Amino acid sequence: QVQVEQSGAEVKKPGASVKVSCKVSGYSLRAFSTHWVRQAPGKGLEWMGGFDAEEGEIMYAQKFQGRLTVTEDTSTGTGYMELRSLRSEDTAVYYCTTPRLGPGAFDIWGKGTVVTVSS
Amino acid sequence: EIVLTQSPGTLSLSPGERATLSCRASQSVTRSYLVWYQQKPGQAPRLLIYAASNRATGIPDRFSGSGSGTDFTLTISRLEPEDFAVYYCQQYSSSPWTFGQGTKVEIK
Repeated sequence: QVQVEQSGAEVKKPGASVKVSCKVSGYSLRAFSTHWVRQAPGKGLEWMGGFDAEEGEIMYAQKFQGRLTVTEDTSTGTGYMELRSLRSEDTAVYYCTTPRLGPGAFDIWGKGTVVTVSS
Repeated sequence: EIVLTQSPGTLSLSPGERATLSCRASQSVTRSYLVWYQQKPGQAPRLLIYAASNRATGIPDRFSGSGSGTDFTLTISRLEPEDFAVYYCQQYSSSPWTFGQGTKVEIK
């Protein structure tokens, strides 16, 4: 059975960093990678980055370049998203998601991790 | 960056009615790399349609997708009570992968 378990809610101060994890079971990260999508309160969905199987490398949305690092530990089936230099606009639910029906067709989703950035 | 514009912003319909949602891209979405998601409050998105017109596993056949190039449509043939939600389109033909702003389907 496919499952995705994300780490718990975080509260951070502006300028700090946050690292969110997502442990998968029922499939291997060697076969299907993790991506990260976020949703600010009351807003739409925003793709942040992840491993692009067609390009063969981790891709990041330009707006997060230099602040975002996506990594995976395939031995433990865990993906990580680290966002640095946090600002209040980074307050959002961060979802770990996996595409199995095409490079960007996200069919598996975690429940989300709430990250609150506040002084 | 490909900008996806969804219309209408809100669709007010009754159960049993047909819903037609539009997603227009600012440039061509190649290889029909476009998907549709449904999201309910407090939940993660759920994949409905991939590659423009293929239903994901377990998705009822009242959901259908069509289109190519810059114009795509999600149709719900007969709305069930559980279909009232927000729907997003998303393209993955060109980085950064982008989402539309969403269409809310609400009960009239």
